[in-house]
Amino acid sequence: QVQLVESGGGVVQPGGSLRLSCAASGFTFSSYGMHWVRQAPGKGLEWVAFIRYDGSNKYYADSVKGRFTISRDNSKNTLYLQMNSLRAEDTAVYYCSGGSSLGFDIWGQGTMVTVSS
Amino acid sequence: DIQMTQSPSSLSASVGDRVTITCRASQSISSYLNWYQQKPGKAPKLLIYAASSLQSGVPSRFSGSGSGTDFTLTISSLQPEDFATYYCQQSYSTLGFTFGPGTKVDIK
Repeated sequence: QVQLVESGGGVVQPGGSLRLSCAASGFTFSSYGMHWVRQAPGKGLEWVAFIRYDGSNKYYADSVKGRFTISRDNSKNTLYLQMNSLRAEDTAVYYCSGGSSLGFDIWGQGTMVTVSS
Repeated sequence: DIQMTQSPSSLSASVGDRVTITCRASQSISSYLNWYQQKPGKAPKLLIYAASSLQSGVPSRFSGSGSGTDFTLTISSLQPEDFATYYCQQSYSTLGFTFGPGTKVDIK
């Protein structure tokens, strides 16, 4: 079945780095634009980053620009998010999602990132 | 950047009620507006895309309307499984697929 499985979350100190992964299965990953969306505890959804199906273009929210890098390996059906210079306000559940201008129709279960000393 | 607002931020309703949630964009987004449902501890679920198209598998009691800057999500007859938080999202600009702040629907 269609599935996205995130991994790589955990506890990290302010200023530290973390890399999230998202393994896709059950659909043609290489045809899908992919996103990272996060949700701070008790808060709403925040779009973080987008990468086109072939990796040719990447876009970021202002809140993470210059610190986070989205990438993908279509040969491994995997999406990544490299997070550097982490701050307390980056604490959230991070979801990977597949979709386009016609909505994000595939979601993972999320992975928790906690930035704390 | 395109900003999204929703009203109300929360509402209490009973099973069988008709519920309407409004979403407004800070500039015209044509029909590039999507609606999601999220239950506690779960990932969001796409309900409506392109303002008024029902996602496959979503019950027909959900409907969307609007274009430009003003949009509406309507639940024609609220069911117990519909108590959740609802988010609108603009997909007009790839520079930022902004979500609205959410509307929590709970039991009266």
